[in-house]
Amino acid sequence: AQSVTQPDIHITVSEGASLELRCNYSYGATPYLFWYVQSPGQGLQLLLKYFSGDTLVQGIKGFEAEFKRSQSSFNLRKPSVHWSDAAEYFCAVGSSFNTGNQFYFGTGTSLTVIP
Amino acid sequence: DTGVSQDPRHKITKRGQNVTFRCDPISEHNRLYWYRQTLGQGPEFLTYFQNEAQLEKSRLLSDRFSAERPKGSFSTLEIQRTEQGDSAMYLCASSLVGGRNEQFFGPGTRLTVL
Repeated sequence: AQSVTQPDIHITVSEGASLELRCNYSYGATPYLFWYVQSPGQGLQLLLKYFSGDTLVQGIKGFEAEFKRSQSSFNLRKPSVHWSDAAEYFCAVGSSFNTGNQFYFGTGTSLTVIP
Repeated sequence: DTGVSQDPRHKITKRGQNVTFRCDPISEHNRLYWYRQTLGQGPEFLTYFQNEAQLEKSRLLSDRFSAERPKGSFSTLEIQRTEQGDSAMYLCASSLVGGRNEQFFGPGTRLTVL
């Protein structure tokens, strides 16, 4: 069965510092992987997605993520964090089969940015 | 394209009452999903529709929950005889058919059961 683990419940970084949020997945085939961001009281916004091909994917707001099949990981990175990046980040895995494509989400990582 | 909308944004109800939420997906999207999100957790899948057909339901969707999408456009999620454990954010998402298509999420309906 599909599952996603985000080991870090909460991360605090200084503005301008680099950021890496960890995501490990469990899936029997090639997964479809997504990172979403959720600001307080808001819905989820897609940052980036991976289906196949180049294992380094670029997203919005300067985020990127790298798919590593050998480690079953899809970590999110940003070279320089802005105060507006403070939010909850969710990694999700979707089915690579054209069926229901329900997403399985991790429990999220809460990001605090200090000036 | 105004995105996915949900109504109401907040609902406070007393235990035992029935509540109904509405979701309007992006107009050309034929798939519609309902998720539940509790504090400190990621969204958990409840059910999804392809057009008007409800194709899958999670074990989380007890018999007090019912969802409809009568004309393949908007959807409603009803909870009967609400319990305090139903307090959560209920998220709706829509997408085109196909695993490569991202799901677009609405702002959610926050339910508080007193």
